[in-house]
Amino acid sequence: ETGVTQTPRHLVMGMTNKKSLKCEQHLGHNAMYWYKQSAKKPLELMFVYSLEERVENNSVPSRFSPECPNSSHLFLHLHTLQPEDSALYLCASSQVSGGGGETQYFGPGTRLLVL
Amino acid sequence: AQSVTQLDSHVSVSEGTPVLLRCNYSSSYSPSLFWYVQHPNKGLQLLLKYTSAATLVKGINGFEAEFKKSETSFHLTKPSAHMSDAAEYFCVVSLIQRAQKLVFGQGTRLTINP
Repeated sequence: ETGVTQTPRHLVMGMTNKKSLKCEQHLGHNAMYWYKQSAKKPLELMFVYSLEERVENNSVPSRFSPECPNSSHLFLHLHTLQPEDSALYLCASSQVSGGGGETQYFGPGTRLLVL
Repeated sequence: AQSVTQLDSHVSVSEGTPVLLRCNYSSSYSPSLFWYVQHPNKGLQLLLKYTSAATLVKGINGFEAEFKKSETSFHLTKPSAHMSDAAEYFCVVSLIQRAQKLVFGQGTRLTINP
């Protein structure tokens, strides 16, 4: 596989369920990101991991819990979600060198529906 | 604070005619700017980026953008639209912190009429 992959591509869950989204990057990058894309709203950055350390948590509710076990894998653990959490969740990766202008490469996303 | 405003939520052009998608940015320092494209049910793909080199940036699929500091603009253009260009386009500014933080515009939906 090449690039950034995400599984599952589609997920339907009830508000009491616990599920996890998985992201894997095959680009050798040192930073990974979770974004939320809702209808009629700009993409929202949720979490950033750089060198496996969380460096950004954009006031995301605790029902979303990220995990980055190594530089190639990123998870988003979901529990007791609300219907308004239904959205497309995008993962991205980049090679951060401190100079700025690095390109982020995005996965295809997981379409989440919370009933 | 850095921000991006895409001036049109929807642009519709005929196939073979020019495309102009407008973007204005706000930044307290010289920014890095990007245009991404998202086709239906797909992730985001980089079209082009500006990183303080040449102000006219050429990207993939015949797109280009010009960085104009005096106008704080980074408009995306293409001389001749193709049906495959129909998609959502995002103008993005980069914040340089411990890791790169992207701030996205609200997107412009481009429709191509046959």
